[in-house]
Amino acid sequence: SQQGEEDPQALSIQEGENATMNCSYKTSINNLQWYRQNSGRGLVHLILIRSNEREKHSGRLRVTLDTSKKSSSLLITASRAADTASYFCAETSGSRLTFGEGTQLTVNP
Amino acid sequence: GAVVSQHPSRVICKSGTSVKIECRSLDFQATTMFWYRQFPKQSLMLMATSNEGSKATYEQGVEKDKFLINHASLTLSTLTVTSAHPEDSSFYICSALGQGGFWTEAFFGQGTRLTVV
Repeated sequence: SQQGEEDPQALSIQEGENATMNCSYKTSINNLQWYRQNSGRGLVHLILIRSNEREKHSGRLRVTLDTSKKSSSLLITASRAADTASYFCAETSGSRLTFGEGTQLTVNP
Repeated sequence: GAVVSQHPSRVICKSGTSVKIECRSLDFQATTMFWYRQFPKQSLMLMATSNEGSKATYEQGVEKDKFLINHASLTLSTLTVTSAHPEDSSFYICSALGQGGFWTEAFFGQGTRLTVV
């Protein structure tokens, strides 16, 4: 069964705006990862944040991790139409990689 | 980055037949691969963990006789959907861990859209 919840489930913004997606998880994690999925395609890894890290940047992406609240957020700055996709967080714990419900992001030109 | 190739990308089969989906790690050895199922507009649901040279570990509620997994080499895992029915129609995705195991990213195949008619 899937663990973790993401909000919002769907987000629609204008190009140039920032997009923030949140993820909550339930287990004690080794790390937390964010992935992107274009419609009908496989997943592409975006960023990994370890359990002892609180913030990480990669290009226009910024991820935070709050282990006390068991939550993480993904911020995409200066969004582009090409950022339109589904975004999933995935918690790694032991030998499992478990995905959240995902956020469908639509960036309107 | 590492490449995982999944084949076929789309398959249509008749009810009652079996379908095999292949997942290959092209430029690295994957001792562990994962098989997921995804329904439209939903998240990925882990079906089973495939371990090279040993039996797969299935998640609760996944029928091992229905979804046969074979991981005969360090670069190939196969999922066979046996006696397929329309309710098996779904998007199936495999993934493999990088060399660092769970401390690194997972690499995903392109997915297989299975339609059972």
